Amino acid sequence: QKEVEQDPGPLSVPEGAIVSLNCTYSNSAFQYFMWYRQYSRKGPELLMYTYSSGNKEDGRFTAQVDKSSKYISLFIRDSQPSDSATYLCAVLIKAAGNKLTFGGGTRVLVKP
Amino acid sequence: NAGVTQTPKFQVLKTGQSMTLQCAQDMNHNSMYWYRQDPGMGLRLIYYSASEGTTDKGEVPNGYNVSRLNKREFSLRLESAAPSQTSVYFCASSYSGTGNQPQHFGDGTRLSIL
Repeated sequence: QKEVEQDPGPLSVPEGAIVSLNCTYSNSAFQYFMWYRQYSRKGPELLMYTYSSGNKEDGRFTAQVDKSSKYISLFIRDSQPSDSATYLCAVLIKAAGNKLTFGGGTRVLVKP
Repeated sequence: NAGVTQTPKFQVLKTGQSMTLQCAQDMNHNSMYWYRQDPGMGLRLIYYSASEGTTDKGEVPNGYNVSRLNKREFSLRLESAAPSQTSVYFCASSYSGTGNQPQHFGDGTRLSIL
């Protein structure tokens, strides 16, 4: 079993819809939770990171962490075609250094 | 505003050939990382260097070696390439190797081994 599970998609939504992405993780020791966005043939870029349960908002993006359920989510409001990309969740344990463990990524397609 | 630069962008090798992938960062970061990305597998850490002069194995180090040449450069070497090493390789850097410092990625090297 992978340490971080993520539905590979693709997830297709109409422009303006809310995109909902999820990951589950198995190790309760994970402390930091991140979302990366990766466009085709590009490297991942950090979108959001958080270390506590609850919500964190940044513009159209909201990251949600539920440590009791080992579940992390990313919501994208008012989705745009430019949001079409692969979204990767990542987790880390602070004591283990800055080594990220990634989910497999979810492909998102926002149709105009 | 280069960030993390990887060379080459594409490469095709034959089984058994050797190759070095180059990575350089201009952000004065202390820590650097090499990942491979395979379909459905996300990114998996091959090797990392928490600071200049140190290197450590990650999740999938077999078949690879690394060199932290200086603070800016971190290279990945395949001594005897195998088809299982066909992948997209990403280099990343962060300010430090502790805690939750954001990692900045290059745009990858696409490597095919025949």
